[in-house]
Amino acid sequence: QSALTQPRSVSGSPGQSVTISCTGTSSDVGAYNFVSWYQQHPGKAPKVILYDVIKRPSGVPDRFSGSKSGNTASLTISGLQAEDEADYFCSSFGGMSIPVVFGGGTKLTV
Amino acid sequence: QVQLQESGPGLVKPSETLSLTCSVSGGSFNSYYWSWIRRPPGKGLEWIGYIYHSGTTSYNPSLTSRVTLSVDTSKNHFSLKLTSVTAADTAVYYCASQRGNSVFDFWGQGALVTVSS
Repeated sequence: QSALTQPRSVSGSPGQSVTISCTGTSSDVGAYNFVSWYQQHPGKAPKVILYDVIKRPSGVPDRFSGSKSGNTASLTISGLQAEDEADYFCSSFGGMSIPVVFGGGTKLTV
Repeated sequence: QVQLQESGPGLVKPSETLSLTCSVSGGSFNSYYWSWIRRPPGKGLEWIGYIYHSGTTSYNPSLTSRVTLSVDTSKNHFSLKLTSVTAADTAVYYCASQRGNSVFDFWGQGALVTVSS
């Protein structure tokens, strides 16, 4: 069982928006603004698309946005494109005892 | 641009030790924490642990009794040893650079390790 809870799958049509939630606890997601999101296509390594809840690395389209409320972080993808179909993972700093906790992953179907 | 490459056996027998090495090129080796992460088939990502260039380590509590990370700064590489493996340790193992806010910026391509007799 993963430390952070994500829906197993979400789907949307091209051009639509989808939101993926990531629920943790007051010891990880709720305690720190150190939530990251990763996109992983089959057979490829994960790629960071958001970090520190809302920041986008250079080269990541602004269609990807993040937010957090309490113990739940969210990734929103607007203007869905076929290439967005992938697995998405959230992670959070979990404190000194376990610096990294991951979500179980969400499969996005476009 | 930091580049990472995992290397090691792709098949390990049950109860034996899994050993992988990650070679790092580009960037400053002393600027990051160096992590191992794995993804078992059909499952999500699991953080295994990190090591700093100084040798400071942090491990996932669920694996700490079986994991050892080491670093060789002269060769810009770091290594993973996981003892007493079982089929549950079958996974794609990734090495990655980790920043202090627990962000993984750069990843290796991944190495599939199968535990089977």
